[in-house]
Amino acid sequence: DIQMTQSPSTLSASVGDRVTLTCRASQSLNDWLAWYQQKPGKAPKLLIYKASSLESGVPSRFSGSGSGTEFTLTISSLQPDDFATYYCQQYSFYATFGQGTKLQIK
Amino acid sequence: QVQLVQSGAEVKKPGAAVKLSCKASGYTFTSLPIHWVRQAPGQGLEWMGWINAGNGVTTYSQNFQFRFSITRDISASTAYMELTSLRSEDTAVYFCATETNGQWYFDVWGRGTLVTVSS
Repeated sequence: DIQMTQSPSTLSASVGDRVTLTCRASQSLNDWLAWYQQKPGKAPKLLIYKASSLESGVPSRFSGSGSGTEFTLTISSLQPDDFATYYCQQYSFYATFGQGTKLQIK
Repeated sequence: QVQLVQSGAEVKKPGAAVKLSCKASGYTFTSLPIHWVRQAPGQGLEWMGWINAGNGVTTYSQNFQFRFSITRDISASTAYMELTSLRSEDTAVYFCATETNGQWYFDVWGRGTLVTVSS
């Protein structure tokens, strides 16, 4: 099984900040990685697929990068609606999610 | 547009079974797979398995191989997930999801069904 590790587990930031979340895989994924945003009581929402492709309708302040085993999700200027939990997911071999990064207001 | 509508919350006793439904609309049911993802309270997301809605072939995560099954009813455009021998640790929200682009990232999700296992 491919293991996914996200860091940090919790991140405190302010509106307007630039933040970067990290996701590491236990083996190479090429670029078969997606990022999701989840708010309490809601289903996850796809943000990024194929490591860096922005899902339709997702604001351009979200961007993804990386390949192989290390990936990042960057939010260029945090908006109030962005405070949520973020998950990475590999789909190189079936599907595995990271444990999540909770982005909270400082 | 592609939509997945899940059945309502369930409360079950330990040892019982539960069967959840996921009704698809907005597309030809047999053309897209259905995946199931579990989220325990305050925890992360865990992929459970999937069904090819066209031919009915299923694949399950190693963690869910023995008590979990996915089926589908083409006439009802509905996929089902059954979990047997329920334990308190099975208390969770269960999501169905699909991938409209032929790759295993999930761009359409149901709202989730809460299953509570309690004596």
